[in-house]
Amino acid sequence: DVKVTQSSRYLVKRTGEKVFLECVQDMDHENMFWYRQDPGLGLRLIYFSYDVKMKEKGDIPEGYSVSREKKERFSLILESASTNQTSMYLCASSPMTGGAKNYGYTFGSGTRLTVV
Amino acid sequence: GNSVTQMEGPVTLSEEAFLTINCTYTATGYPSLFWYVQYPGEGLQLLLKATKADDKGSNKGFEATYRKETTSFHLEKGSVQVSDSAVYFCALWMDSSYKLIFGSGTRLLVRP
Repeated sequence: DVKVTQSSRYLVKRTGEKVFLECVQDMDHENMFWYRQDPGLGLRLIYFSYDVKMKEKGDIPEGYSVSREKKERFSLILESASTNQTSMYLCASSPMTGGAKNYGYTFGSGTRLTVV
Repeated sequence: GNSVTQMEGPVTLSEEAFLTINCTYTATGYPSLFWYVQYPGEGLQLLLKATKADDKGSNKGFEATYRKETTSFHLEKGSVQVSDSAVYFCALWMDSSYKLIFGSGTRLLVRP
């Protein structure tokens, strides 16, 4: 069964900490995405990547950065966590060939981050 | 621009009732359309899809037909179960866009 795995289901971090959220996919997908999900705001795209070492800003990149050193791994970094970054974070991937047009995205189970 | 509009929830039904969740879209061109389901505390799972007009996607008793004339992709199920309680997201993909565009989600609550 193909999978997108997020390393933590729940995280609690302190304000000002540097936080790493990890995502690994085993489907050899080229495209990977990070979303955050908040009540009443739906899904908002933070960053995405079309290839190793490539990254593109999504709709709300402020306060975040990403790293993609290997094809299967896409990390989201909160440089200095703040309470307004408390949220559910979702990682997703899709293949380049045919891509999301035919297959949509495959999502991980999510990481619920609380910043105190 | 491209967008997806879903009916607001929550939708509350009794078990074995008929379900419809409305989804309409705005797009310049011919998008692919998707329904995703999110169970409590989980990520999104692809439920069904349709990549061209008049296609019907189906899975787990759910169906949706891609209607170009009404720009709609309504989700239906003939007899819902308590286990169908979840949030349902409609989404579209355009080749001109760089991302899936999601609706705001509709929460379904099925009571025994």
